Amino acid sequence: AQSVTQLDSQVPVFEEAPVELRCNYSSSVSVYLFWYVQYPNQGLQLLLKYLSGSTLVKGINGFEAEFNKSQTSFHLRKPSVHISDTAEYFCAVSDHYVREKLTFGTGTRLTIIP
Amino acid sequence: DAMVIQNPRYQVTQFGKPVTLSCSQTLNHNVMYWYQQKSSQAPKLLFHYYDKDFNNEADTPDNFQSRRPNTSFCFLDIRSPGLGDAAMYLCATSRGSGGPPTDTQYFGPGTRLTVL
Repeated sequence: AQSVTQLDSQVPVFEEAPVELRCNYSSSVSVYLFWYVQYPNQGLQLLLKYLSGSTLVKGINGFEAEFNKSQTSFHLRKPSVHISDTAEYFCAVSDHYVREKLTFGTGTRLTIIP
Repeated sequence: DAMVIQNPRYQVTQFGKPVTLSCSQTLNHNVMYWYQQKSSQAPKLLFHYYDKDFNNEADTPDNFQSRRPNTSFCFLDIRSPGLGDAAMYLCATSRGSGGPPTDTQYFGPGTRLTVL
């Protein structure tokens, strides 16, 4: 069975400062990793995904994430945040055998301070 | 050009009164999913359809049922809603190629269910 841990439930960051949202996963097989963003009262939108290849993945809205197999991590980063980045961010994992099933972390609420 | 549409966006029902939530998609995707998301929690998969094949999660209560009459539509039926079923219900779709690595799941805006 696979699992995802997002250690930080809330992250406050000043506008234009860099941010890192942490995600660690546990799985015994090859995994596929995702970051989704959820704005208030909306569904989830895909930010980026790692399927294979380059471990540095670039996504929408200036976000990027790095897959680190040895540390079983997939941390999300942005060099300079904007007020509009205020949202809930979910890390998710699926595996090679049950590709249709996503397991989500508990989410990190990112709050941008003006 | 909405791709995954959920109706209604907000639904209020009474304790024990059956309710149906609707999801439609214009992506012609093979797989459709229903998730339950309670306040400040991660989305939890209830079940999914791969074409017409229904896949129920082991811990999904019997109170929750689903129908997929065609490729475009999928319904979530809650037979006897309890107070604990109040949540956001998210529908998602994916291409479901079954060959290359997994496809992206595209989510609808969700239906927020209130149980009085």
